[in-house]
Amino acid sequence: DAGVTQSPTHLIKTRGQQVTLRCSPKSGHDTVSWYQQALGQGPQFIFQYYEEEERQRGNFPDRFSGHQFPNYSSELNVNALLLGDSALYLCASTEAGEIGYTFGSGTRLTVV
Amino acid sequence: AQRVTQPEKLLSVFKGAPVELKCNYSYSGSPELFWYVQYSRQRLQLLLRHISRESIKGFTADLNKGETSFHLKKPFAQEEDSAMYYCALSGTSYGKLTFGQGTILTVHP
Repeated sequence: DAGVTQSPTHLIKTRGQQVTLRCSPKSGHDTVSWYQQALGQGPQFIFQYYEEEERQRGNFPDRFSGHQFPNYSSELNVNALLLGDSALYLCASTEAGEIGYTFGSGTRLTVV
Repeated sequence: AQRVTQPEKLLSVFKGAPVELKCNYSYSGSPELFWYVQYSRQRLQLLLRHISRESIKGFTADLNKGETSFHLKKPFAQEEDSAMYYCALSGTSYGKLTFGQGTILTVHP
């Protein structure tokens, strides 16, 4: 089992552009969460998807949106990129009855 | 509101010495508490969770609801324990995780 896979691993975008990050959850997992980790900080919760619906959302602006597909994979979209969006974006998956999350390696986004 | 505080950004000990990584939390209900670890060039992984009351790699953590703490302890540190450690809290077993800022543990030979 490959665990949680994220793509791409690195990305450089220009201010104002839009970006899409992708995540495939661990086999058998149906719940996907996204986190933003700025340098030197702990991960911050962006949102969680379950059954293709956003179930919980953190304190992030509407520029951050997501989607979950029927196969449980997920996308994170960020519009109108700001320099401050530069961070490591982590995807984590779990399933009902399992305690704790499995994390991906992350996508390093750099906005210039 | 959920909050997790890890007061030490850096912690250095010598091999064989006891180690304690501190974690304090703020939560109005009954939280689920976790410790996650990130070794060099590896992904974040779950180390242990309070409800399991388990010992993983010699580490234990006790939830103290009176002091709202969940400190991570190991009686004899090993060099391979060097890593970034995050304390995290969730309101439910599958809910959002609120992380502390992390503690970098370095175990010197």
